[in-house]
Amino acid sequence: GAGVSQSPRYKVAKRGQDVALRCDPISGHVSLFWYQQALGQGPEFLTYFQNEAQLDKSGLPSDRFFAERPEGSVSTLKIQRTQQEDSAVYLCASSLGRGWASTDTQYFGPGTRLTVL
Amino acid sequence: GDSVTQMEGPVTLSEEAFLTINCTYTATGYPSLFWYVQYPGEGLQLLLKATKADDKGSNKGFEATYRKETTSFHLEKGSVQVSDSAVYFCALSFTGTASKLTFGTGTRLQVTL
Repeated sequence: GAGVSQSPRYKVAKRGQDVALRCDPISGHVSLFWYQQALGQGPEFLTYFQNEAQLDKSGLPSDRFFAERPEGSVSTLKIQRTQQEDSAVYLCASSLGRGWASTDTQYFGPGTRLTVL
Repeated sequence: GDSVTQMEGPVTLSEEAFLTINCTYTATGYPSLFWYVQYPGEGLQLLLKATKADDKGSNKGFEATYRKETTSFHLEKGSVQVSDSAVYFCALSFTGTASKLTFGTGTRLQVTL
């Protein structure tokens, strides 16, 4: 079946522009995660959804970052007034997520590479 | 806070050589431990995991044992292939935190003929 998909795969933005990154999780997956991966680093957690509820946004680096998942499926990560330090690969992952205590495997999408000029 | 430390790469090996990639962690409590792999041009994939001390995770010839006493989860393979060339990430998570993952910085493996 289809895996996690993300779009666009590449995005170039001028400093100060707003961007929106989309994630389509695996159908039926309750949990959805966003991670940020800077060049040469491991992914870092940004935020987590269980269905449409955003239960953890402790990793969002500033109030310019906003995520939503209004119908419990597709999610969008929005970055307002982009800065050069926002340049990174943004990864989305989904899991069956059968509850808060779940340790279900996370399935990752290919990522969106954001470059802010 | 919780953290994962991996050996720096790149690691360059000849085909059929023995592989070890070191991973140690710092955490309050006893996390689940993972190895993820990222092949060129592809997304992160779970390679193996272990959820409690002394558990051994294994997959595709790779193994790692959860060592509580040394807070380590070293990845090993007895005979690497060119197709194993990839970036390997060690990670941890805790039950009750919706399994958000804390990753190491990754180790690039290059296997040559």
